Order: sequence, then C-alpha cells, then structure tokens
Amino acid sequence: GQQLNQSPQSMFIQEGEDVSMNCTSSSIFNTWLWYKQDPGEGPVLLIALYKAGELTSNGRLTAQFGITRKDSFLNISASIPSDVGIYFCAGDRDNYGQNFVFGPGTRLSVLP
Amino acid sequence: EAQVTQNPRYLITVTGKKLTVTCSQNMNHEYMSWYRQDPGLGLRQIYYSMNVEVTDKGDVPEGYKVSRKEKRNFPLILESPSPNQTSLYFCATKPRTPHYGYTFGSGTRLTVV
Repeated sequence: GQQLNQSPQSMFIQEGEDVSMNCTSSSIFNTWLWYKQDPGEGPVLLIALYKAGELTSNGRLTAQFGITRKDSFLNISASIPSDVGIYFCAGDRDNYGQNFVFGPGTRLSVLP
Repeated sequence: EAQVTQNPRYLITVTGKKLTVTCSQNMNHEYMSWYRQDPGLGLRQIYYSMNVEVTDKGDVPEGYKVSRKEKRNFPLILESPSPNQTSLYFCATKPRTPHYGYTFGSGTRLTVV
C-alpha cells in the first residue's frame, strides 16, 4: 500500500527555536494534512493543503504542499513548551477525501 | 459541542473474549474510520465507512469487524481478541466534502492478555 515517510523520527529543541519536519511519499497525493497528537489524546488537525505548491500558515505553523505532490513540510516558529507532541502527516489516498494514510510521526520535545 | 465519543477509554481483557468498542458522533458526518496506533507504525486504518450500511476494509482489517446501521454509530468488534491486538484505537469522522480532514475521538487503550 501507499506509505508515507516522516523525518526526523524525533527531535529535541530549545524553547524559542524554529522547527522543521517533512513528509515524503513514492506516490502522488492530492491532499496533504498535518496533525498533532498530545499525550493521551487523539490527533488534532493543524493544517490542510489542497494544491501543489500551496503554502499555508496557521499562527506559528507554516506548511507547504510540494510541487511534485510527493512531499510536504511543516515549520513551527519560536517553539513553546505546549508544542510538545507527535506530529503526523497524512495524504488522501484515493483523491475523494475519505481515505487517508498517515505517516509514522515526528516526536517533538521542547526543552525549557 | 462537536464530538466523537469512544467507549471505553481503557479496557483489559483476556484472549478470546468478544468485545465491542463503541464510537458515536454528533456532527452528521458521512465518513467514519477506525485506526490503530502502535509505536513506530503511526496510525493504520482498520475499516472505514462512507455511509450507513457501506463499509470497507482498510490496511489491517484481520481480526476485526464493523457495522454501520446508523449514521452516528460505528462500533468496532473483536470477535476473538488476541494479544497482537493490544493497541491504542481511534475512531475518526469527516463529512463527505473532500476538503476536510478527519476529527478523531480520544482513543481506547486495549490490552489483551
């Protein structure tokens, strides 16, 4: 089946630093989404991208849909302690918006 | 308040004892899915449903059953649980409209001994 790869697998950063993580696939996707999961909770949608080349921001978060439609990145600026969690990318596997495949996640730790 | 409600939140059971994890949503969403989350493997789809009485297998359907008799409910059934089904399970829903992501429940942590 379609697979998504995320890097890095985990990262430790100092509070205030910027963070960058990415997601790649061998298949083309028409939709990319980024989710965050806090400990003990379900994933929450952060940003959704629907067009190749699209750059979208949500507060301190910025995400881009790669031109090849096979990758996406997420940047977090000026990290704060509540940014801690697992970040998942997801792609719409059959282009009808109902069937998503998720990456394995990037675990972010923020040191004070 | 828009919600996806799963029950129970935690469950410890023994091998072979049938169990059901319930999922209910109040957003009138057409699509519902079940995912399992395991360390290093991310979220893997078990089953999904596009509407009442319409269900289909995801990536890891073996050992699971689902039903969609009503739009709001999508229970996950383990007829004969085994230890390899110990995992964190999430129900998720979304509207039919393409440009929406899934809304997830809070999860059910299942341990099969």
